[in-house]
Amino acid sequence: NAGVTQTPKFRVLKTGQSMTLLCAQDMNHEYMYWYRQDPGMGLRLIHYSVGEGTTAKGEVPDGYNVSRLKKQNFLLGLESAAPSQTSVYFCASSQTPRVGRYEQYFGPGTRLTVT
Amino acid sequence: AQSVTQLDSHVSVSEGTPVLLRCNYSSSYSPSLFWYVQHPNKGLQLLLKYTSAATLVKGINGFEAEFKKSETSFHLTKPSAHMSDAAEYFCVVSDGGNTGKLIFGQGTTLQVKP
Repeated sequence: NAGVTQTPKFRVLKTGQSMTLLCAQDMNHEYMYWYRQDPGMGLRLIHYSVGEGTTAKGEVPDGYNVSRLKKQNFLLGLESAAPSQTSVYFCASSQTPRVGRYEQYFGPGTRLTVT
Repeated sequence: AQSVTQLDSHVSVSEGTPVLLRCNYSSSYSPSLFWYVQHPNKGLQLLLKYTSAATLVKGINGFEAEFKKSETSFHLTKPSAHMSDAAEYFCVVSDGGNTGKLIFGQGTTLQVKP
């Protein structure tokens, strides 16, 4: 039982390049999330999904796209990377939220540098 | 709207002394509250959660937190710090909707000196 995994762990991009980050979970969770973490700002939600085939915008969605074609996978895409997207990206998953069940389980993160 | 404020960006303690990490929240309803820990270059791990049951919540590694509605606080404590407790700690509140979204505080870095 691997929990939440992320690929790759590190990546360096040049401005304008594109890439896709992959998140996979083996807990049969319905909900999945992508966050970015920047110093002094906590985690900010980029996009999220409440089930296979669904996606929605979070707090900071500009410059990113997502897809949830399979329940266990959640992809984050950068079509044209910018230096402002240098960050650590975390994926998380959770069961269907109801009272007492909001906790999310996090992957190990992807460190992205855009030069 | 829900929000959370961590009152200290950095806390330094000596090994064996108590730890207090402070968190205030704002919520228009009875919230779910969490503390997560992040060790250097690692993902986030759930320490404990409050979900409207007992107001004193016990978590892993000897940590506990007390929900105080009158003070809108959810401070994290530990009686005796260990070197392995050095990490960043996040206070988190649920947004209360059916999306499961969480709102994170800015984080508190805990330094433990030998």
